[in-house]
Amino acid sequence: DGGITQSPKYLFRKEGQNVTLSCEQNLNHDAMYWYRQDPGQGLRLIYYSQIVNDFQKGDIAEGYSVSREKKESFPLTVTSAQKNPTAFYLCASSIQGEETQYFGPGTRLLVL
Amino acid sequence: AQSVTQLGSHVSVSEGALVLLRCNYSSSVPPYLFWYVQYPNQGLQLLLKYTTGATLVKGINGFEAEFKKSETSFHLTKPSAHMSDAAEYFCAVNTGTASKLTFGTGTRLQVTL
Repeated sequence: DGGITQSPKYLFRKEGQNVTLSCEQNLNHDAMYWYRQDPGQGLRLIYYSQIVNDFQKGDIAEGYSVSREKKESFPLTVTSAQKNPTAFYLCASSIQGEETQYFGPGTRLLVL
Repeated sequence: AQSVTQLGSHVSVSEGALVLLRCNYSSSVPPYLFWYVQYPNQGLQLLLKYTTGATLVKGINGFEAEFKKSETSFHLTKPSAHMSDAAEYFCAVNTGTASKLTFGTGTRLQVTL
């Protein structure tokens, strides 16, 4: 089945630790996105990538980093500089030039 | 800049009653508009979208939405609510800039017996 997978489903971070969230898609989509979801705030764009080896900051990129070495993969690293990382993180992808984004199941990040 | 306003963070309806979830947008160019649904601890699923053409759009699970340019609205409706419709609903707008979506803050729909 084609789709977007995110792992792990739950992730725990200790103070000062960097953690990486995985996002993989087998839809052959060009563009990929990372969103953060907090209660009552909707989804906010962290980073997006329209092509391999290129990515742009979204609205809330501080404290996060990404890479796009392969078309199907777009991992997100939550660095120790992100002081409030507890949230639900959603990855999405789309065909370049098409407006519809398709979402993965999400990763919930919690701080110990 | 584009923005989305969803009126009502919580809406409660009885099973069998009309569902109306409100969405207003702001955009300086013709928008593409979306409704997504999210069940607890899951990702977002596309319900329906408006790009061009017919302003009344039908989606999955019996939902539909009407694009009204004069009112800058894209309200979501369903004639008869079902218990399985209980979820959070997000309206989103895209003005074609790198396919970036701007989301509203969401409306949680509760369906009671």
